Amino acid sequence: GQQLNQSPQSMFIQEGEDVSMNCTSSSIFNTWLWYKQDPGEGPVLLIALYKAGELTSNGRLTAQFGITRKDSFLNISASIPSDVGIYFCAGQGYSGGGADGLTFGKGTHLIIQP
Amino acid sequence: DAGVIQSPRHEVTEMGQEVTLRCKPISGHDYLFWYRQTMMRGLELLIYFNNNVPIDDSGMPEDRFSAKMPNASFSTLKIQPSEPRDSAVYFCASSSTWDFSNTQYFGPGTRLTVL
Repeated sequence: GQQLNQSPQSMFIQEGEDVSMNCTSSSIFNTWLWYKQDPGEGPVLLIALYKAGELTSNGRLTAQFGITRKDSFLNISASIPSDVGIYFCAGQGYSGGGADGLTFGKGTHLIIQP
Repeated sequence: DAGVIQSPRHEVTEMGQEVTLRCKPISGHDYLFWYRQTMMRGLELLIYFNNNVPIDDSGMPEDRFSAKMPNASFSTLKIQPSEPRDSAVYFCASSSTWDFSNTQYFGPGTRLTVL
């Protein structure tokens, strides 16, 4: 099946630093998504990307859909304590006339040291 | 508007027992997804429905797992008999064809522990 390689697995940074994480896939996706999960909660969508090469921002977050459609990155600028959590990339294909389920990366655990 | 509702939030059971997890999708959503999250395997898609019809169940681990969606507002994931390796957090998510973004909204999950 499809696999997503997400890196790094974890990041220990100082408050105020910028963060970068990425995902690569063995196959093409039509949509790339980035989710954040807080402890005891379900994943919450941060950014969705629909076109190869697309660069999208959401506040301090910026994500890009790779030209090959097999990769994506997420940047967080000027990290703050509430950015702590696990970030997941996810790819979605389209079969038939509907959307497929998501294939998730293993996650990047972001830890911010005061 | 209420989000995706899952029950129970926590379930502890003994090996061999039947377990039923429940999900109420967001009203009006026509897609429903079941995912499982473990430390080892991360988040995995188990099965998804469109208009109450199962579309892809290739992620269901084995015959012990079954899922139903009797109507647009309710779905169940059943494990019978349960085994310790089924211990995980099970998420339900829903989305709408009419939402261009096809955003999937996740419920809070059910943490299952099989002793």
